[in-house]
Amino acid sequence: SYVLTQPPSVSVAPGKTARITCGGNNIGSKSVHWYQQKPGQAPVLVIYYDSDRPSGIPERFSGSNSGNTATLTISRVEAGDEADYYCQVWDSSSVFGTGTKVTVL
Amino acid sequence: QVQLVQSGAEVKKPGSSVKVSCKASGGTFSSYAISWVRQAPGQGLEWMGRIIPILGIANYAQKFQGRVTITADKSTSTAYMELSSLRSEDTAVYYCARSTYIDDSPAFDIWGQGTMVTVSS
Repeated sequence: SYVLTQPPSVSVAPGKTARITCGGNNIGSKSVHWYQQKPGQAPVLVIYYDSDRPSGIPERFSGSNSGNTATLTISRVEAGDEADYYCQVWDSSSVFGTGTKVTVL
Repeated sequence: QVQLVQSGAEVKKPGSSVKVSCKASGGTFSSYAISWVRQAPGQGLEWMGRIIPILGIANYAQKFQGRVTITADKSTSTAYMELSSLRSEDTAVYYCARSTYIDDSPAFDIWGQGTMVTVSS
């Protein structure tokens, strides 16, 4: 089955840039979606089809996908961005990444 | 705006079954697929399967084949997920989530609030 690997944690100072990677075999050939999940809440879609933002998601959130790595970038990080982030693709079924906890220092 | 409203928390005995509902309000139900995703305590997200209500077609993750049944009632805009032969490892929050079905790689754009299922003797 298809595996998506994310770093367990990323720490970033306020105002700086956080980059969260999602590794998978030839993931660049797939469409990648990203979700933000805060404690006790349902996930929220923040990036779809590699780099599109749903309405209401700040422009600070952006995505890219090439080769074996997709990346979610959060610019000018704010305290409210502290959350778990998951990537997701479809193979023969839907697959989620292992998740990354973003801590704002 | 469409909302997905799930049924309340459940406590079940090992070996029993649980059925969780997900009702769509404020929009069209049949034009989308409804997936079920679970999250064990402190763990990540795990896709279980989905149904396309307008077609009445369901498909399941291999891990849950034979143990999960996903159905939908178009008349009430409600989807259901039934998991049988429950064991302690099934203790988790279960989410329903909406996606399109025309695209072969859709995102989950709307999620239910989650239903906690606890399996304990």
